[in-house]
Amino acid sequence: GDSVTQMEGPVTLSEEAFLTINCTYTATGYPSLFWYVQYPGEGLQLLLKATKADDKGSNKGFEATYRKETTSFHLEKGSVQVSDSAVYFCALPDTGRRALTFGSGTRLQVQP
Amino acid sequence: NAGVMQNPRHLVRRRGQEARLRCSPMKGHSHVYWYRQLPEEGLKFMVYLQKENIIDESGMPKERFSAEFPKEGPSILRIQQVVRGDSAAYFCASSHDRGPIGYTFGSGTRLTVV
Repeated sequence: GDSVTQMEGPVTLSEEAFLTINCTYTATGYPSLFWYVQYPGEGLQLLLKATKADDKGSNKGFEATYRKETTSFHLEKGSVQVSDSAVYFCALPDTGRRALTFGSGTRLQVQP
Repeated sequence: NAGVMQNPRHLVRRRGQEARLRCSPMKGHSHVYWYRQLPEEGLKFMVYLQKENIIDESGMPKERFSAEFPKEGPSILRIQQVVRGDSAAYFCASSHDRGPIGYTFGSGTRLTVV
């Protein structure tokens, strides 16, 4: 079945550091891919998405490129802020169900 | 223009009690999805409902769990005879069309079973 694998956290960075959170997937065909963010005590918010191969999703300084050759959708940000501290989830649509399959999440902690 | 509203935000139940979690979808959304997030894990799909219909409950545990989305009122996720392993965050999402593109998530209900 479809699956998503994310790098384990926590990832601890200093403010203004470069961020990469790896995400690879296994799926039939070329599904849309998503990154969600969960701030402490809150629900998930869609951060960005890409709907086809080679698309780049971007939002709030975050970017991710849909790479079908490596089945990856790594999340990057050039300069993180303390306010970016959250848990980040990579996800894709569950084939045959109107649902999302999520990775296990990566906790990011940004220190001032 | 309220988003997806879930209540309560926090719920504590003793083992054996019943837990009722409520979800009011965004205005104009008729599709509701429930997910469970165990500690330090990603969200796992439980059930997909439209008004008065369960469309897909393939992620629901076979016993003690049920869900409904009546014609009037919020969607309810009901857990009977709770056990410690039911402690988790339960999230509801809604959409205008059949998801998951276009989901909006609620802030979740954190259930603690003591």
